[in-house]
Amino acid sequence: EAQVTQNPRYLITVTGKKLTVTCSQNMNHEYMSWYRQDPGLGLRQIYYSMNVEVTDKGDVPEGYKVSRKEKRNFPLILESPSPNQTSLYFCASSFSGNTEAFFGQGTRLTVV
Amino acid sequence: QKEVEQDPGPLSVPEGAIVSLNCTYSNSAFQYFMWYRQYSRKGPELLMYTYSSGNKEDGRFTAQVDKSSKYISLFIRDSQPSDSATYLCAMGGSSGGSYIPTFGRGTSLIVHP
Repeated sequence: EAQVTQNPRYLITVTGKKLTVTCSQNMNHEYMSWYRQDPGLGLRQIYYSMNVEVTDKGDVPEGYKVSRKEKRNFPLILESPSPNQTSLYFCASSFSGNTEAFFGQGTRLTVV
Repeated sequence: QKEVEQDPGPLSVPEGAIVSLNCTYSNSAFQYFMWYRQYSRKGPELLMYTYSSGNKEDGRFTAQVDKSSKYISLFIRDSQPSDSATYLCAMGGSSGGSYIPTFGRGTSLIVHP
């Protein structure tokens, strides 16, 4: 089954404690991206990657890091999480930047 | 002004109604227009994809793009309670084969029996 898998689904952490949210896709897609979704603000892109070792900033990259060492994986790293990063996060993959994006189930992160 | 404007709703309609969801945009370079549906606690799923202007129909759903007015619409005929979800428009241009899609804020639709 074609899918994008994120882990964990739910995470509560404390300010400053580094965390990683994993994302994996099994569709051999080149394009992967991370979004955060907040009430009233909709989906905002954090980072995207057009291929292995190629990443670029989206609209709201501050406080986040990503890496793309393998085609299927695109982890999101928060080196020092802060409460304003409390949000619902989605990973997505697509064949290219302008084709259908397949989204993961989401990770609800709470930073206290 | 945001690049893509979408009324967040909620929009509440009775079962069987025709629903009209809309987005306006400001970037004339946008060429690809998509509608995603997002159920509660789920990731968005693509519903309709349209390139440039015109209409596209798929079952009870019709997507319209009017590039001259920078306005896109999604119509749902014979709406069902199972259509209750948040509908997000997304759009982008083509620059060297890649682009960053821009999403609207989403419109919450409630179809009551």
